Amino acid sequence: DAGVIQSPRHEVTEMGQEVTLRCKPISGHDYLFWYRQTMMRGLELLIYFNNNVPIDDSGMPEDRFSAKMPNASFSTLKIQPSEPRDSAVYFCASSPGGPGGYGYTFGSGTRLTVV
Amino acid sequence: DQQVKQNSPSLSVQEGRISILNCDYTNSMFDYFLWYKKYPAEGPTFLISISSIKDKNEDGRFTVFLNKSAKHLSLHIVPSQPGDSAVYFCAARWDILTGGGNKLTFGTGTQLKVEL
Repeated sequence: DAGVIQSPRHEVTEMGQEVTLRCKPISGHDYLFWYRQTMMRGLELLIYFNNNVPIDDSGMPEDRFSAKMPNASFSTLKIQPSEPRDSAVYFCASSPGGPGGYGYTFGSGTRLTVV
Repeated sequence: DQQVKQNSPSLSVQEGRISILNCDYTNSMFDYFLWYKKYPAEGPTFLISISSIKDKNEDGRFTVFLNKSAKHLSLHIVPSQPGDSAVYFCAARWDILTGGGNKLTFGTGTQLKVEL
């Protein structure tokens, strides 16, 4: 398995533009998570899906952020309009679900810079 | 509200010595604790975990200790190697079976540097 695949690896955009980040989870994993990494807050959960259904979006900072999972193999995180404070590394992760102390598998992340 | 805290943003250790990374949490409902390791330009990778019913879990050079009464856990790396230099994240999970969701709450990370 190729692991969790994110695209693009780097994105530089101007303030006000729409940004779309993409994620392909590991096949068979029922859970998909979007995290954002910043120096101040570390890794913060934005939203997660179970079987393509959003379960908890309480971490989505504002209405400018939206996420979709149209099928089991694809998810997007969209920011519209983007602002400089959105600059961060965004990670997607997936897991098989169920009880226990297993970990997630993370993608390599998308480094977003909004200028 | 930071439910998982790593109060040391950085740690420097000599090769061969012990590295001790610390983590505190506030939510008593957490029942699994995990450590992740992250190299630059890569995603975090799972390192080791511990159930709240245990106080120690060991995997090779890595040992995690849990003190539930103090709501504190630590990761020990012995002996430390230059390849261990990375950011280490502590994470906690409130298990599905006890009413939590399948989500991990992470700390802010500790940058470990192992020097020759």
